[in-house]
Amino acid sequence: GQNIDQPTEMTATEGAIVQINCTYQTSGFNGLFWYQQHAGEAPTFLSYNVLDGLEEKGRFSSFLSRSKGYSYLLLKELQMKDSASYLCAVNDYKLSFGAGTTVTVRA
Amino acid sequence: ETGVTQTPRHLVMGMTNKKSLKCEQHLGHNAMYWYKQSAKKPLELMFVYNFKEQTENNSVPSRFSPECPNSSHLFLHLHTLQPEDSALYLCASSHGRNTEAFFGQGTRLTVV
Repeated sequence: GQNIDQPTEMTATEGAIVQINCTYQTSGFNGLFWYQQHAGEAPTFLSYNVLDGLEEKGRFSSFLSRSKGYSYLLLKELQMKDSASYLCAVNDYKLSFGAGTTVTVRA
Repeated sequence: ETGVTQTPRHLVMGMTNKKSLKCEQHLGHNAMYWYKQSAKKPLELMFVYNFKEQTENNSVPSRFSPECPNSSHLFLHLHTLQPEDSALYLCASSHGRNTEAFFGQGTRLTVV
């Protein structure tokens, strides 16, 4: 079966950095995705890691360690619009999602 | 706008009703998915279609019946639902199983 864990909620201040951790235990592994979902909207793709290491995309970076079953999403220079739910999803030939981390950015 | 369109956006139905959710994608993807999203729970994969063929049914009750007439359209037929089926139903598509999925806006379903 699949077990994907991430914190339920995080709060940070505008301009700060927040790191959202995701640990997983899945029967297979073919990559890990991060999605952003604003309230009432569709999840939108942020990043994809299939090899170990850091992928950087502007203010967002994602890291993967396959041996540890661990990933994190790093959000830098936080803006109010970054307040959303962040979903970690593991691809073992089907996408299995964590419950999501709700990030609240305060002024 | 992600290229995946779902209708209706909101649906209220009684437990004896029959209704259908529709999903359409114009991205040229060959895989389409139905997910259920309940409050505070992970997205649950319900069905997967690849090149119009159902490749996954995640132990979904038979009161949910999917249909994929072609690779651009996906339906979810609903009948005799229960109040606990109230949730956001999301459709997604992708080029294959190893690429990112693009989600529709979802249908907010309330069963009364």
